[in-house]
Amino acid sequence: AQSVSQHNHHVILSEAASLELGCNYSYGGTVNLFWYVQYPGQHLQLLLKYFSGDPLVKGIKGFEAEFIKSKFSFNLRKPSVQWSDTAEYFCACLTGGSYIPTFGRGTSLIVHP
Amino acid sequence: NAGVTQTPKFQVLKTGQSMTLQCAQDMNHNSMYWYRQDPGMGLRLIYYSASEGTTDKGEVPNGYNVSRLNKREFSLRLESAAPSQTSVYFCASSLPPPGDTQYFGPGTRLTVL
Repeated sequence: AQSVSQHNHHVILSEAASLELGCNYSYGGTVNLFWYVQYPGQHLQLLLKYFSGDPLVKGIKGFEAEFIKSKFSFNLRKPSVQWSDTAEYFCACLTGGSYIPTFGRGTSLIVHP
Repeated sequence: NAGVTQTPKFQVLKTGQSMTLQCAQDMNHNSMYWYRQDPGMGLRLIYYSASEGTTDKGEVPNGYNVSRLNKREFSLRLESAAPSQTSVYFCASSLPPPGDTQYFGPGTRLTVL
């Protein structure tokens, strides 16, 4: 069965710092990859997704992620974080034809103003 | 469109009591899901319904039952609540074919005393 690893469980940054959250998946076939964000007290919502094509995917609020097939990775990046980016971030992987995404355990990001 | 709605938002139960969490979506999605979210555990799938009339167990189905009432509605029932079921429960739906974005409801925070 596939798994998704998020290496950073808690990240604390100051505003304007750069962000990179790691995500690795364990599946050798075709994958669809997602980053979801959960703001405090809210439900999960899609940040960005990769299905095919350009491995550099741009999402909402200035976030981007790069799919590196050789490294089984889909890391999330943002060049300059804001206080409003404080949230929990989940990476998820869907293998070809599956209904069931596999979620990572999440990374809690706190941005200090 | 309301998207995915869940009721109730909060619930406190005593051990042994039963209750049903309701979920509805108005996006004409075929697939629906129930997750629980616990600190440090990320999202764990309880049950899912790939299409109207079908339901399947996820990672943590014990102690729960589901009903896919129609295409819009997917309910989760706790027959005899236990403190271990204290959690935040999220319903989600997604488009066909399998492999697309999940849309989440606002969640139900359940406490079992």
